[in-house]
Amino acid sequence: DSGVTQTPKHLITATGQRVTLRCSPRSGDLSVYWYQQSLDQGLQFLIQYYNGEERAKGNILERFSAQQFPDLHSELNLSSLELGDSALYFCASSGRQPGTGRFLQETQYFGPGTRLLVL
Amino acid sequence: AQSVTQLDSHVSVSEGTPVLLRCNYSSSYSPSLFWYVQHPNKGLQLLLKYTSAATLVKGINGFEAEFKKSETSFHLTKPSAHMSDAAEYFCVVRGQGGKLIFGQGTELSVKP
Repeated sequence: DSGVTQTPKHLITATGQRVTLRCSPRSGDLSVYWYQQSLDQGLQFLIQYYNGEERAKGNILERFSAQQFPDLHSELNLSSLELGDSALYFCASSGRQPGTGRFLQETQYFGPGTRLLVL
Repeated sequence: AQSVTQLDSHVSVSEGTPVLLRCNYSSSYSPSLFWYVQHPNKGLQLLLKYTSAATLVKGINGFEAEFKKSETSFHLTKPSAHMSDAAEYFCVVRGQGGKLIFGQGTELSVKP
């Protein structure tokens, strides 16, 4: 168990709809990253937040947005959904090394993912 | 820009035989490299990481990887495969700003 939680586990929705995916980072981690895993694109970085502020953007569509709240949990909002948005969405967090508490920004711990199916 | 290339999309070994999963990287500076494993219908688990300390990195479950700058490689090995090692393995390089850049993955099959 990485300590990163994601809800829901599975999501089935229709084209044109909007969904929200939620991520809770490991206790004490300030950085949250979102990734998308699809059959044709593989694993791709979407966006990063650090302590509530957007830090970096990857291949994230304009229909997608994210935020990180004061309690450090993050939400990824996907709107005007298309069939091609069906994928596994992972959240990762980084910050502290388990056991020692040392700050290790480069090690990211992944949640179990949310599987989105758009019909 | 950083990138990784996994040279095999699928590797099949027999239980008890060695595992070799190959990865080449491209980086304009000293890279941070990782191997992650994804079991079916599960999340991504960190196997090991290289961050410019020892070139031979030991990870969990008996896996290790050797960073070879001259060959720009970071191959993952294990002396003896176990059935539970069957999974998808990703070679990863840390890019600008901390984002992870994943290879296309290597599916490891282990035959009894």
